[in-house]
Amino acid sequence: DQQVKQNSPSLSVQEGRISILNCDYTNSMFDYFLWYKKYPAEGPTFLISISSIKDKNEDGRFTVFLNKSAKHLSLHIVPSQPGDSAVYFCAASARGFGGSQGNLIFGKGTKLSVKP
Amino acid sequence: DVKVTQSSRYLVKRTGEKVFLECVQDMDHENMFWYRQDPGLGLRLIYFSYDVKMKEKGDIPEGYSVSREKKERFSLILESASTNQTSMYLCASSLGALETQYFGPGTRLLVL
Repeated sequence: DQQVKQNSPSLSVQEGRISILNCDYTNSMFDYFLWYKKYPAEGPTFLISISSIKDKNEDGRFTVFLNKSAKHLSLHIVPSQPGDSAVYFCAASARGFGGSQGNLIFGKGTKLSVKP
Repeated sequence: DVKVTQSSRYLVKRTGEKVFLECVQDMDHENMFWYRQDPGLGLRLIYFSYDVKMKEKGDIPEGYSVSREKKERFSLILESASTNQTSMYLCASSLGALETQYFGPGTRLLVL
């Protein structure tokens, strides 16, 4: 049973427009959420995170929104650039519960293509 | 900058061979992790370690073992490689159990 779901395997966006990547989760114990970006033949790199006590976190062109009641988070990239083309993984953990519950549970990823 | 390195970028092995994948981090991180990434399946945790000589099973430990003899080094061992272990293997480390994980570049393993 998937606890973290990224229902769109791919997304195509024009350069300069907004990219919105979505992630849903089922485990109400999750209290920390992260987005990682992965280029082919490279390891994932940390992008941005959000704690469950917040509903928004911004870092430059990247903003993550968390809707706890809907168990939904989204990553907004504005403006999108061709260099943003990569696979984006959503991840969640139950940090407040300690131990192995703090381990990350990853979604399957969404491949973003930003066209010039 | 955190640096996580993996011993090989690409590896080709035969069925039944014993395979060692090594991971080294240079930031004195307590925690280290091994994942595999497969198309359509995302990243799945194989094993992790919170301390030297300590290991815990992740979600898919079958067919794998690990070794953590030194803090900076975490090895993944395929005792007898099988074709269904063909995958991208990713190592990660974090300062504390609940801190952000930093990944190595990955090892693409092909088992023939």
